[in-house]
Amino acid sequence: DAKTTQPTSMDCAEGRAANLPCNHSTISGNEYVYWYRQIHSQGPQYIIHGLKNNETNEMASLIITEDRKSSTLILPHATLRDTAVYYCIVSQWGSYNTDKLIFGTGTRLQVFP
Amino acid sequence: NAGVTQTPKFRVLKTGQSMTLLCAQDMNHEYMYWYRQDPGMGLRLIHYSVGEGTTAKGEVPDGYNVSRLKKQNFLLGLESAAPSQTSVYFCASSLNYEQYFGPGTRLTVT
Repeated sequence: DAKTTQPTSMDCAEGRAANLPCNHSTISGNEYVYWYRQIHSQGPQYIIHGLKNNETNEMASLIITEDRKSSTLILPHATLRDTAVYYCIVSQWGSYNTDKLIFGTGTRLQVFP
Repeated sequence: NAGVTQTPKFRVLKTGQSMTLLCAQDMNHEYMYWYRQDPGMGLRLIHYSVGEGTTAKGEVPDGYNVSRLKKQNFLLGLESAAPSQTSVYFCASSLNYEQYFGPGTRLTVT
């Protein structure tokens, strides 16, 4: 079973920030939060990951609450090309006996003009 | 640098037939994975490999076998295809935290 809970779908206007929430109330201390996205029928694409601190890269920002029970992925200026299914995943780092990515059903983000 | 490639892109099988899906990566990654994705669902891990000559079971391994004879290749075999194996199959590879996915193989078993 997926360890995360995400809304089924969200809409966002082009140029606005898209804020995608994720609940992971049972996350353990050595588990990271990963975000991937899947555009149409392509293979998933890594976006960002984090443990405790907020993270930012060229694609997005990840905000993790202090108790680590939830997080938000922020796409600062959404474009039509960001329309995709976004997966929030919790997984251990580097321990490949258990470091599997358990994909839930994700959030379908629709960016509209 | 092609990344992760999968062969074939599409295939239709009859129940009971066998086939092998090929995944190749040119990034010298140690770890490779096979997932399946059914309509409206997320990806589920079938088998994975942490290095040449090693394989391990994932969430849904039944009905599949894998081999990793060369570091750059990871093969997924279906010995006797069943309609329940109709799905899109994705291969991925990774060096550390980021998994790189191939374009997928769409398999239909009739």
